[in-house]
Amino acid sequence: DADVTQTPRNRITKTGKRIMLECSQTKGHDRMYWYRQDPGLGLQLIYYSFDVKDINKGEISDGYSVSRQAQAKFSLSLESAIPNQTALYFCATSGRTSGTYNEQFFGPGTRLTVL
Amino acid sequence: GDSVTQMEGPVTLSEEAFLTINCTYTATGYPSLFWYVQYPGEGLQLLLKATKADDKGSNKGFEATYRKETTSFHLEKGSVQVSDSAVYFCALSDRDGNQFYFGTGTSLTVIP
Repeated sequence: DADVTQTPRNRITKTGKRIMLECSQTKGHDRMYWYRQDPGLGLQLIYYSFDVKDINKGEISDGYSVSRQAQAKFSLSLESAIPNQTALYFCATSGRTSGTYNEQFFGPGTRLTVL
Repeated sequence: GDSVTQMEGPVTLSEEAFLTINCTYTATGYPSLFWYVQYPGEGLQLLLKATKADDKGSNKGFEATYRKETTSFHLEKGSVQVSDSAVYFCALSDRDGNQFYFGTGTSLTVIP
């Protein structure tokens, strides 16, 4: 079973709709992240959470919100989707190893299309 | 701020050719350096890492050496296979892993 899962894997929606992408992890990690991937731009950080009560904006948080429902669950919402939010979205986790958070583990991604 | 610059692609090689993907970084302090690989339809997975200067990370025949003097972490493989076709991302994190920065990715296609 995958350690980091994302649902849905694919979603097509219309402009103005509210969308929620969900991420769950069984790795026991306290840190979770949401990225979007666009061709030629690499990964851009949307939001990150170092624990359940700690939520931080990343470099491109406008138009997005998140909820950390539990240590294992981190959801990303698009309140009113727009076409330029069409992208591949990744959830990632990180846990302390040998005293540092030294690696991120990624989910399989959600491909979102906004028409 | 911290950043990573990697070689633009796409790169197309014949099977058994030598691969180099260049990566340079800008960072304050003592970052850790990573190469991640993304196979078609999948998320990123760690390929190798190095946490201090002169360390060499290696995995699946790939190698990269943390060069502080040239601020580089170039990925190399002596003989690529078709199964190595993927997108490769160079990344760095600060010493404590509080911030991660990714390059734009380099697409590699290996043809038989």
